[in-house]
Amino acid sequence: GQQVMQIPQYQHVQEGEDFTTYCNSSTTLSNIQWYKQRPGGHPVFLIQLVKSGEVKKQKRLTFQFGEAKKNSSLHITATQTTDVGTYFCAGNSFQGGSEKLVFGKGMKLTVNP
Amino acid sequence: NAGVTQTPKFQVLKTGQSMTLQCAQDMNHNSMYWYRQDPGMGLRLIYYSASEGTTDKGEVPNGYNVSRLNKREFSLRLESAAPSQTSVYFCASSDGWPGEAFFGQGTRLTVV
Repeated sequence: GQQVMQIPQYQHVQEGEDFTTYCNSSTTLSNIQWYKQRPGGHPVFLIQLVKSGEVKKQKRLTFQFGEAKKNSSLHITATQTTDVGTYFCAGNSFQGGSEKLVFGKGMKLTVNP
Repeated sequence: NAGVTQTPKFQVLKTGQSMTLQCAQDMNHNSMYWYRQDPGMGLRLIYYSASEGTTDKGEVPNGYNVSRLNKREFSLRLESAAPSQTSVYFCASSDGWPGEAFFGQGTRLTVV
């Protein structure tokens, strides 16, 4: 079945640093979504990418969908303590007449102030 | 709007007991999902329902059953709880395809 893998699983950065995390799918995706989960909370939708090569920005966060629609990246500029949490990518594919959203294992971000 | 509401928020069960986790959404979404979240394992899909009256197995369906009672409600049942089912359970819904998924607050289940 469809698998979504995230690299790395853990990231510790100094406040102010930039970093990038990656998401790879075993199959071609219809779209990819990114979610953020704060400690003790529930996943909250950040963004959705649909088109091949699409790039979207949300303030200091830049999301990219690969040309082959099998991978994606999240780049955070000038990391802040408010960025702490676990970031999930979720691959969406329309198979057999139904939509299925499969999540990666997440990338847990900690920030040293 | 309440969004996605899960009950209960916390539950402790003894091995072999049964229980049903309830989920309701008020956004008129077609698709609903049940995930479990374990440390280091991310969110794993248990069952999903693309529309009222249909359900399909996800990645880890063993030991669980679901019912899509109507468009609003999607329940998850543990017939005979096992310690391996200790986890945080999230219900989610989305509006067709493609669609942003909205999550409930989660149910923290401990099986002793």
